[in-house]
Amino acid sequence: EVQLVESGGGLVQPGGSLRLSCATSEFTFSSLWMHWVRQVPGKGLMWVSRINSDGTSTAYADSVKGRFTISKDNAKNTLYLQMNSLRAEDTAVYYCSRGTPGYSNSYFDSWGQGTLVTVSS
Amino acid sequence: DIVVTQSPDSLALSLGERATINCKSSQSVLYSSNNKDYLAWYQQKPGQPPRLLIYWASTRESGVPDRFSGSGSGTDFTLTISSLQAEDVAVYYCQQYYSTPITFGQGTRLEIK
Repeated sequence: EVQLVESGGGLVQPGGSLRLSCATSEFTFSSLWMHWVRQVPGKGLMWVSRINSDGTSTAYADSVKGRFTISKDNAKNTLYLQMNSLRAEDTAVYYCSRGTPGYSNSYFDSWGQGTLVTVSS
Repeated sequence: DIVVTQSPDSLALSLGERATINCKSSQSVLYSSNNKDYLAWYQQKPGQPPRLLIYWASTRESGVPDRFSGSGSGTDFTLTISSLQAEDVAVYYCQQYYSTPITFGQGTRLEIK
């Protein structure tokens, strides 16, 4: 069974940093684009970032560009999201999700359970 | 950015009724080179991540009951639940993946009357 397990969320002060991880198993992580999507509790979904299979191509939502960095370690089957200069509006549940082979943008057929990031003083 | 707008925002129906949720994109998500619509539908229940229901506008994901169907092309799409079951209570989202940034509709909350 495909698994994606996020970790690293928590409470951080405005201006602070956090690094999220997404450990994956039971699929060929090294061959897929991977994505981060976030959701403010009780609100809708917002795509955050994507990375290609070998980690050489990335894209970001405008609201996080320059502050967040997506990366992946194919040897560890793990996806990361380094979040710097955090703002209150970054408070959300962050999900990692699996893309579709051959497509940079795609639907997401598997999602993790999410990790909550709270930015507050 | 492609803006995706769902209607209605909420819907309350009786068990066994047909549910129809609409999704409109601000520009076409039909890719002419492969004639595919880059549109997906998700179901999200409280405390859970979204679950993929439909992709390429009308292809049902494996394991999704056949009472769920997707239709439409270009800019106008519909998710239909043919006979509402109690377990279908959830929020439903459409998503366009035609261009970056990927965008979602605001969600439609489906309840039992």
